[in-house]
Amino acid sequence: SYELTQPLSVSVALGQTARITCGGDKIGSKNVHWYQQRPGQAPVVVIYRDSNRPSVIPERFSGYNSGNTATLTISGAQGEDEATYYCHVWDRSTVIFGGGTRLTVL
Amino acid sequence: QVQLLESGPGLVKPSETLSLTCTVSDFSISTSNYYWGWVRQPPGKGLEWIGSIYHNGNTYYMPSLKSRVTISVDASKNQFSLNLTSVTASDTAVYYCARLPSSSWILDQFDYWGQGSLVTVSS
Repeated sequence: SYELTQPLSVSVALGQTARITCGGDKIGSKNVHWYQQRPGQAPVVVIYRDSNRPSVIPERFSGYNSGNTATLTISGAQGEDEATYYCHVWDRSTVIFGGGTRLTVL
Repeated sequence: QVQLLESGPGLVKPSETLSLTCTVSDFSISTSNYYWGWVRQPPGKGLEWIGSIYHNGNTYYMPSLKSRVTISVDASKNQFSLNLTSVTASDTAVYYCARLPSSSWILDQFDYWGQGSLVTVSS
């Protein structure tokens, strides 16, 4: 079965750029979606179809997908960005989630 | 603004069936090109997809759960439901319902989520 690999944790200084990766075999050929989940809350989509940002999501969130890695970038990370981020793809009629990355804003 | 709300028992005994319903508001569940799905999250762990359904009854299920899961839709009530049989403690989780746009047999992102419903499996 298809697997998505995310780092367990990423740290970023306030105002700096955070990059969270999602690895998978030829993931560049799939649509990747990214979710932010704060403690006790439901996930919220922050990037869909690799690089599209919902209108309610700040411009500092962006996404890129190529080869075997998709990347979520947060440019100028803020304290409210501290959360767990999950990637998601659709593969062989199955929804696959990555294991999640805990982002800490220092 | 689409709203989804999960409902059902918060406590289920081992070996019994977990049943949840998701009520959708301000959007017709019969709208073309939208699937409806269930995702769960065990305490302190990541997201796990359970399955998704279209208003015509077409379903996709997580292979590892397929033998125990049934997802159904009641368009007249604008609801869809989850049944998970023979539950064990490992099925304890927050269960979310959500909407997924779809096109050409590809399911896209979960764009609207319910608030989640904690279900504990315990005697």
